[in-house]
Amino acid sequence: EPEVTQTPSHQVTQMGQEVILRCVPISNHLYFYWYRQILGQKVEFLVSFYNNEISEKSEIFDDQFSVERPDGSNFTLKIRSTKLEDSAMYFCASSPGTGQDTQYFGPGTRLTVL
Amino acid sequence: QKEVEQDPGPLSVPEGAIVSLNCTYSNSAFQYFMWYRQYSRKGPELLMYTYSSGNKEDGRFTAQVDKSSKYISLFIRDSQPSDSATYLCAMRASGTYKYIFGTGTRLKVLA
Repeated sequence: EPEVTQTPSHQVTQMGQEVILRCVPISNHLYFYWYRQILGQKVEFLVSFYNNEISEKSEIFDDQFSVERPDGSNFTLKIRSTKLEDSAMYFCASSPGTGQDTQYFGPGTRLTVL
Repeated sequence: QKEVEQDPGPLSVPEGAIVSLNCTYSNSAFQYFMWYRQYSRKGPELLMYTYSSGNKEDGRFTAQVDKSSKYISLFIRDSQPSDSATYLCAMRASGTYKYIFGTGTRLKVLA
């Protein structure tokens, strides 16, 4: 069964460093998303991406964040200058062209900012 | 008041019990409602999706939406130990795909 994959599973970085979180969505899916989940808190929407551009973003997704689909298979989230409060689990998701409500999540990348 | 509220649990039930999981919300614009299951150290997995009010059944799972009370429920019949997980509700309004999630209810089904 096709699935969303994410790398790395755990990323440790120093405050102020740039990190790139990588995702391979399910092939032939058209919509891509990033969510985050701070430990013990709810899953929060960050951004959705369609047709090589951002379709929606939350207030969390400020200028420190960017997304890219550099080729036909990868979808990345870049955090330019990490802060302590960026420590969280980051989930990538994708959905088919038939509807954005059916979202398939990856296993997540745990980001720890020291 | 939080937009979406969900009792964090944990909720412990014996195997075979009927489980009722609930969320309340404050935004009357929400029309699309989802239930996800999340196992430890995994991403959320979509279980049920309902639009507006009413019931929807899929195997052992039934989702109910009561928009007048701003209350949604997920029922699990004949619960199994493998159902032990955290259950997340999520919802959105029309015209946006920004889903608002609840904090999740941790369920333990005891063998």
